[in-house]
Order: sequence, then structure tokens, then C-alpha cells
Amino acid sequence: QKEVEQNSGPLSVPEGAIASLNCTYSDRGSQSFFWYRQYSGKSPELIMSIYSNGDKEDGRFTAQLNKASQYVSLLIRDSQPSDSATYLCAVNQGYSTLTFGKGTMLLVSP
Amino acid sequence: DAGITQSPRHKVTETGTPVTLRCHQTENHRYMYWYRQDPGHGLRLIHYSYGVKDTDKGEVSDGYSVSRSKTEDFLLTLESATSSQTSVYFCAIGVGTEAFFGQGTRLTVV
Repeated sequence: QKEVEQNSGPLSVPEGAIASLNCTYSDRGSQSFFWYRQYSGKSPELIMSIYSNGDKEDGRFTAQLNKASQYVSLLIRDSQPSDSATYLCAVNQGYSTLTFGKGTMLLVSP
Repeated sequence: DAGITQSPRHKVTETGTPVTLRCHQTENHRYMYWYRQDPGHGLRLIHYSYGVKDTDKGEVSDGYSVSRSKTEDFLLTLESATSSQTSVYFCAIGVGTEAFFGQGTRLTVV
């Protein structure tokens, strides 16, 4: 069974701080990794995709991938209350099917 | 907006009745997916399609069937609904290596 693990949280950070969200995966052959943001009662929204080892930055978001350690992370700089949501880590398993972690709830306090 | 419409958005049905959920896309993408999301389990793949009349099972396919008779529509059928199928159902489309989700259908089986 291919697995994706995330801490459920909640992760609480003050406004303006850096939020660090982590994810590990079991399938060493995985090639594509994604972070989704999901507000309560809404659908998952893709915020970052990463395919190679290293960092990928997009605005306030940075995704980090370490395939040797089977580890993916998401950093959110200058966190805002509007970033409060559940963040889902997902790994591509072929045909763009995804295995998801259970998500980490992020709470950003003003 | 990824051009995905799910219908109905909410449904309450009785145990033992058949239920069909519809996913409609406007952009002619080849890959389509059905996921369910439950507390404590996260998002799990039910079935997916890689073309008209080409479908395959996902992690939690028991009790579900799908059909795709034209590119734009992917139907999920619960032949005889059970209480364990109470969930939020998300349709997604594959665009390259990425997946984008519809708004979801909240199904309650009583």
C-alpha cells in the first residue's frame, strides 16, 4: 500500500511568520508531488507542483523535495490569516492518479 | 476555474437506492477521476478514466461503477447506496501531470 503521511496538526503560527508543512511518502519510484490547499467546505485547490529535488518558489510559497529521504515540504512565508486552511500533500501514482495524505490544518492568528 | 461541474451538489438518499453523480468538463481533457473524502481518511481514489469507455478501479472501488460514453461526462453510480457511502465526492480532471477538482457533491445515505 503506497502511503503519504502528514501531521494532522493543527499547526498554529502568528501572522507574518513562516509556516512549515511536511510530508513523507512510501513509494520510492514516485516522480511528481503536489500541494493542495483546502478551505473548510470547499474543494482542493492546487498551489504547488514539484518534480525535481530542491526548492521551487512561487510567491510566498516554496516547495522542497528530497527524493532520497522521500520527503516533501511546503513553506509559507509571511503567513496571513487567509492562509488558514488544510494543506494536502499528494503523490502521483500513474495516469495522474493521486495518493493523498490526510492533510495538515494550518491556523494563522492575527 | 478548471471548467468542471458536478451535479447534484447535495443529495440525501435512502439506503438501497441507486444514485448517479455527474461530472461534466468543458475542456476536452482525456483523464477524469472520482475521489471521496472522509474524516480520518482523506481523499481516496474511487475510479478513473483515461478515455471514452476506458476506465479503471482505484483504491476504494467496491460498491461503485462508472461510465464515460463521451469525453465531457464521467458518471459515478452507487448501485445500492449504503450508509458507509455517505461522503463528499470530488471529480477531478487531469491536465498534464496535474489534477484539478470540481466543487464536490455531498451525499448523505440515510
